[in-house]
Amino acid sequence: EPEVTQTPSHQVTQMGQEVILRCVPISNHLYFYWYRQILGQKVEFLVSFYNNEISEKSEIFDDQFSVERPDGSNFTLKIRSTKLEDSAMYFCASSVAELNNSPLHFGNGTRLTVT
Amino acid sequence: AQSVTQLDSHVSVSEGTPVLLRCNYSSSYSPSLFWYVQHPNKGLQLLLKYTSAATLVKGINGFEAEFKKSETSFHLTKPSAHMSDAAEYFCVVSDDNNAGNMLTFGGGTRLMVKP
Repeated sequence: EPEVTQTPSHQVTQMGQEVILRCVPISNHLYFYWYRQILGQKVEFLVSFYNNEISEKSEIFDDQFSVERPDGSNFTLKIRSTKLEDSAMYFCASSVAELNNSPLHFGNGTRLTVT
Repeated sequence: AQSVTQLDSHVSVSEGTPVLLRCNYSSSYSPSLFWYVQHPNKGLQLLLKYTSAATLVKGINGFEAEFKKSETSFHLTKPSAHMSDAAEYFCVVSDDNNAGNMLTFGGGTRLMVKP
């Protein structure tokens, strides 16, 4: 069964550095998402992306964050000038259609640790 | 606005006994409801979804959930627990007004299965 793949599985970075989290969505999917889970807290929506633009973003997704689909397969989340509170598990997801017609398929996540 | 409450953060059952994971939701519109499971070091896997069709929804691995509008509940059940069911389970809601395909997650219930 096709899967959403995320790399790296773990990323350690120093405060103030930039990180790029990478995702390869399922090939025929058109909608892409990033969620995150801070340790001990709920999984939170960050951003949804369709047709090469952001369709929705949460309050968390401020100017520090950006997403990009640089080619036909990758979907990336860039975090500029990382802060300690950015430490979390970041999940990428994709769906073939809009949510109410098509469930999200999630990757295994990237655990980001900011020191 | 939509929200989800999972009433138990931890549930422990013996192998072969029934499983009940409780979930209550709040939604201003007609909700779609999902249960996702997360095994250690794995991504979020869809167990089942409710999208205004039959109120009793059957999912993978013998799980099922019943949508009860009058109780705003969507509890997950399984007649007989297996050791491999030990994982974290998330109840998730999305409502019809959700143009951005945003999921709202509950806090999760960790299911432990004793031999």
